[in-house]
Amino acid sequence: KNQVEQSPQSLIILEGKNCTLQCNYTVSPFSNLRWYKQDTGRGPVSLTIMTFSENTKSNGRYTATLDADTKQSSLHITASQLSDSASYICVVTEANYGQNFVFGPGTRLSVLP
Amino acid sequence: GAGVSQSPRYKVAKRGQDVALRCDPISGHVSLFWYQQALGQGPEFLTYFQNEAQLDKSGLPSDRFFAERPEGSVSTLKIQRTQKEDSAVYLCASSLGPLSNQPQHFGDGTRLSIL
Repeated sequence: KNQVEQSPQSLIILEGKNCTLQCNYTVSPFSNLRWYKQDTGRGPVSLTIMTFSENTKSNGRYTATLDADTKQSSLHITASQLSDSASYICVVTEANYGQNFVFGPGTRLSVLP
Repeated sequence: GAGVSQSPRYKVAKRGQDVALRCDPISGHVSLFWYQQALGQGPEFLTYFQNEAQLDKSGLPSDRFFAERPEGSVSTLKIQRTQKEDSAVYLCASSLGPLSNQPQHFGDGTRLSIL
């Protein structure tokens, strides 16, 4: 069964610190992997989209990595800000099934002053 | 507006009532998706439209759930004879084309509470 797992489930860090969130998946065949940020009470907002051939992609202070061989991805947040407090969701698209997006459960990040 | 708009933002209904949730996608977006999100969980796929055609409804949990997009723009998700387990946030997303590598733009959802 296609699955996406994320760790940790939740994370608390101090403002200004860096952190890394993990995503493991079993989706096959693979098309692309996305990271979303979801603020409380809001819809998810796209951070990055990576295809099979891309190992890393950055969006400001957010850097995503992808290892398609081990089926792992990470999202690194540099110099965290209070506004980074949100859920971060990893989504993997199945290649031969058009619009089949498999969502992970998310990591809840809290940035404290 | 420039983004995906959903209404109402909150809906409270008694068990057994019918509800209708509306989604206005970004103008010109071909693809439209509905998701159900339980508290503390990631979104779960419900159904997918390409223009007015409902190409995938495999995620609809029962025949009480029905979605339509008659003119290829606005979509409505209808839930008949609501049950307590239907309580969740219902998210709508749209993307410009049918390709799966295009970004999805989400609305802020409708929070449905069934009493």
